[in-house]
Amino acid sequence: QLQLQESGPGLVKPSETLSLTCTVSGGSISSSSYYWGWIRQPPGKGLEWIGTIYYSGSTYYNPSLKSRVTISVDTSKNQFSLKLSSVTAADTAVYYCARLLSNWHFDLWGRGTLVTVSS
Amino acid sequence: QVVLTQSPSASASLGASVKLTCTLSSGHSGYAIAWHQQQPEKGPRFLMKVNSDGSHSRGDGIPDRFSGSTSGAERYLTISSLQSEDEADYYCQTWGTGIWVFGGGTKLTVL
Repeated sequence: QLQLQESGPGLVKPSETLSLTCTVSGGSISSSSYYWGWIRQPPGKGLEWIGTIYYSGSTYYNPSLKSRVTISVDTSKNQFSLKLSSVTAADTAVYYCARLLSNWHFDLWGRGTLVTVSS
Repeated sequence: QVVLTQSPSASASLGASVKLTCTLSSGHSGYAIAWHQQQPEKGPRFLMKVNSDGSHSRGDGIPDRFSGSTSGAERYLTISSLQSEDEADYYCQTWGTGIWVFGGGTKLTVL
């Protein structure tokens, strides 16, 4: 059974770069049937799509975050990663990684990891 | 750009049925959507995909108490025989060329 697990620092200082990794287990990240994505949820608020990547390296970013976001994939490690630069308190959120069926909808989610931006 | 609109809250009694609505913005009535459930203090879980023709496909392990339907630009999630564990936030989600969008979510209270 495929599982996704987010990992990375839970505390990031303002103006620094948030870095998270999603490890895919129980299946291959290189499957042609799936894309992979990052979503975040500020405390008490709704879900916000951050970006999506295909195993080939093709990326798609939320226009509102595009200038600060980089998503990459490491097929040898079965992982994909998120970098968000110049963070502020507004970037405090639970960050989820997820699998997309084809390039349609998210069909499998990680458990999420809380990242707090504070000095 | 497509926008999804959901009512912020809904409520229904234990054992009853409830129908949640997700409305696609003008010009996007042909889009499929997905429904996701987020129980308190948990991550989201995919429930089903609802197509513009009203057909739907549930995710693995999702009981048939959950069903989807369509009317024009509206996509529905109907939950029958409500159980206490159905109290959750429900999000609709759609996709276009290189973009993915979530609705604001509906908080369902089971009375």
